[in-house]
Amino acid sequence: GAGVSQTPSNKVTEKGKYVELRCDPISGHTALYWYRQSLGQGPEFLIYFQGTGAADDSGLPNDRFFAVRPEGSVSTLKIQRTERGDSAVYLCASSLSGGTGELFFGEGSRLTVL
Amino acid sequence: AQKITQTQPGMFVQEKEAVTLDCTYDTSDPSYGLFWYKQPSSGEMIFLIYQGSYDQQNATEGRYSLNFQKARKSANLVISASQLGDSAMYFCAMREGVDFNKFYFGSGTKLNVKP
Repeated sequence: GAGVSQTPSNKVTEKGKYVELRCDPISGHTALYWYRQSLGQGPEFLIYFQGTGAADDSGLPNDRFFAVRPEGSVSTLKIQRTERGDSAVYLCASSLSGGTGELFFGEGSRLTVL
Repeated sequence: AQKITQTQPGMFVQEKEAVTLDCTYDTSDPSYGLFWYKQPSSGEMIFLIYQGSYDQQNATEGRYSLNFQKARKSANLVISASQLGDSAMYFCAMREGVDFNKFYFGSGTKLNVKP
């Protein structure tokens, strides 16, 4: 497809489990962002990649959260020892480096931690 | 301090009327971009309109226009001739910085269009 693809669309897990969320950005987009959106809130910045490297990971809430983008395309957000407070929609977005730089979003991965 | 402030949690507008959604921003960087996104109940974020800090004229895209008042640091979205399909959450966002990688969102405004 032409848009940003995120899998899974829904994930239900138990407290303490490990979770991986995947994002496949628009082809050719070098910038990739992860956001977390809780109900009724705006997207909260987690991490930004430019190419393969994490250019800014200041939004990751703690060391249970980690993200990789090994080949500069697909990215995986990894959450260890999940907690109920991690329940949210995790949004991935990509953009070109030039121009207006608007973000193109995927449909999100809804994570529910029981 | 909040980078983006949206003070209207919810708004109602009559179909075919115009509506203004408020947004104020905070930055000391002279180079920044302002964006509005729409998020229907389906959850996907849809880009609506962009305004650059150096743009002299207010941005327009179809029924959407951005009322950019730089001195007041406001970037209000105006939707003309509201349609039922405009009912959604609307987020104001700002991108700033030398490398433009910081991208902040407001808390959103829920717009309900009444028939």
